[in-house]
Amino acid sequence: DSGVTQTPKHLITATGQRVTLRCSPRSGDLSVYWYQQSLDQGLQFLIQYYNGEERAKGNILERFSAQQFPDLHSELNLSSLELGDSALYFCASSHKTSGADEQYFGPGTRLTVT
Amino acid sequence: DQQVKQNSPSLSVQEGRISILNCDYTNSMFDYFLWYKKYPAEGPTFLISISSIKDKNEDGRFTVFLNKSAKHLSLHIVPSQPGDSAVYFCAASAPNSGYALNFGKGTSLLVTP
Repeated sequence: DSGVTQTPKHLITATGQRVTLRCSPRSGDLSVYWYQQSLDQGLQFLIQYYNGEERAKGNILERFSAQQFPDLHSELNLSSLELGDSALYFCASSHKTSGADEQYFGPGTRLTVT
Repeated sequence: DQQVKQNSPSLSVQEGRISILNCDYTNSMFDYFLWYKKYPAEGPTFLISISSIKDKNEDGRFTVFLNKSAKHLSLHIVPSQPGDSAVYFCAASAPNSGYALNFGKGTSLLVTP
């Protein structure tokens, strides 16, 4: 158990809909990262938040957004869903305030868009 | 473009022998490298990491080697155990991107008894 929790575990929804994925980092970790794992693209970085502020952006679509709340949990919002958005979404957290650090991953949310 | 490459999609090793998983990268800004192990339907589990100021890091049965001039790293598992069977991902990070992880596509390791 990494200490990172994600809900829900599974999500099935229709094209055009909007969903919210939730992540709680390990106790004391200020950084949260979101990743998408799809069959053809592998694990890809989407976005990072540190102590409530966006810190880095990766291959995140404009239809996707995220935020980190004062209690440090984070939400990833996916809107106008398309079939190609079906994937595993992972969040990870890390402890260091600056510099490199290992990231600990949650169990993921499997999103299926039909 | 894939900045981290794991060119062997799969590897099969006998129990007790050494497993060597390889990884190449292209971005010279990467200065921190990690290996993760992943089982189906679970999140990646951190195994071991190495900073670019080192060329070797060891943790129990796991050793990571870094060759900066060749932009190559490898993970050695000695001795391999059946419980090591999983997909192994190499990842690299750089300071100019918030240390977000760039992953390879993974190598599926099968350790046979």
